[in-house]
Parts: sequence; structure tokens; C-alpha cells
Amino acid sequence: EVQLVESGGGLTQPGGSLRLSCSASGFTFSTYSMNWVRQAPGKGLEWISYISPSGSSIYYADSVKGRFTILRDNAKNSLYLQMNSLRDDDTAVYYCARDQAFATLNHWGQGTLVTVSS
Amino acid sequence: DIQMTQSPSMLSASVGDRVTITCRASQTISVWLAWFQQKPGKAPQLLIYKASILENGVPSRFSGSGSGTEFTLTIDSLQPDDFATYYCQQYHSNSRTFGQGTKVEIK
Repeated sequence: EVQLVESGGGLTQPGGSLRLSCSASGFTFSTYSMNWVRQAPGKGLEWISYISPSGSSIYYADSVKGRFTILRDNAKNSLYLQMNSLRDDDTAVYYCARDQAFATLNHWGQGTLVTVSS
Repeated sequence: DIQMTQSPSMLSASVGDRVTITCRASQTISVWLAWFQQKPGKAPQLLIYKASILENGVPSRFSGSGSGTEFTLTIDSLQPDDFATYYCQQYHSNSRTFGQGTKVEIK
């Protein structure tokens, strides 16, 4: 069974940093592209980043470009999101999600809450 | 970025109704369109990908159609479990974008 488990969320001040992790199991992690998606409280879904299976292709939404970095460690079956220069409007539940051939985001984690507040 | 516009933003329907949600892309995305269902406090679930392909395990009352810039999600005979928020998402471009969501409420 495919499982994705996020961790690393919490409360941080504006301008601070956090590193989210997503631990994957139940599939060959190194052969799937991965994404981060977030959802601010009471708002819709926002795709924020993609990484290819090898890590050679990476894309970001404009809202996080230059502040967030997506990484993966295929040996550890793990996906990461390094978040720097955090702002109030980065407050959201952050989900990791796996792609499938010809599909998108067909498996999701349970999410981890990031709160940016002074 | 490609903008995705869903309509309506909210609809009220009864069990057994046929429901249609529309998603419009600001430029052509071929068939690279997915639909998700999300219930409160839960992660979204993929329903349909490549505009019309039903994800494994999704009931056949859900269907998708369209190509280019106009897409629809149809739910035949709405069931109590279907009251939720639905999102479309394009994955034609490297910067994927979601629609704003459509909340399906009980009439």
C-alpha cells in the first residue's frame, strides 16, 4: 500500500525557516515524480513544487520561487521542502503527493500544518 | 501561468440529482486535466485524470469530458458521500494550477 507521511510542520515567525519531510513507502520511490501542494485555512488547493524521479527537473509556483527548495533522497525514500523567508501567507497545510504515468497527484499524504505568525 | 476557472463556486443539490461542474483553462491544455474531491479535514482524492479517465476505485457515476480549454465533471445520481468540494487541475504546463473549487452542498 502506498503511504506518504509528512512531518516537520509547526509554528514559526515571519522570516523564519522550516524543513518539511515526506516519508514514502509501499512503492519504488525513485521511479516516481513528487510534488508539494498546500492549502491555506479555508482556502483552495495551491500546487507549489514538483521534482522528477532523479531530481534533475524541478519546478516551482511563482509564489514560492526563490524561497522554497524541493529535494529528494531516493536512498531514504524521502521528499523534502526547505522553506525560507516564511511569510504570514505561507500558513497552510502542506501535502506531499505522488504522480502516476499520465496522471497527477494520485496519492497524497495526510498533510502537515505550518503556521507563520509573530 | 495558466488560469483555471471553475463554475459554479457552490451548488446545492439533492441525492439522486445529476450534477455538472465546469472548468475553463485560460489557454489550451489538450487533455491534461484532472478532477479531485476533497472532504473537510481530509487530503484530496484523485477522481479523473487526462480529462476523462476514471481513477481506480472511483465509482462509475463520476465522469469527465472535454479537451482544449473547456472541461466538465459530471456526477450521475448524486450520493450522500459525494457532498464535498471538487477541484480541477491542469498539468499541461510545468507550473500546475488548480481551479478555485466547487462546493457541492445538500439542498
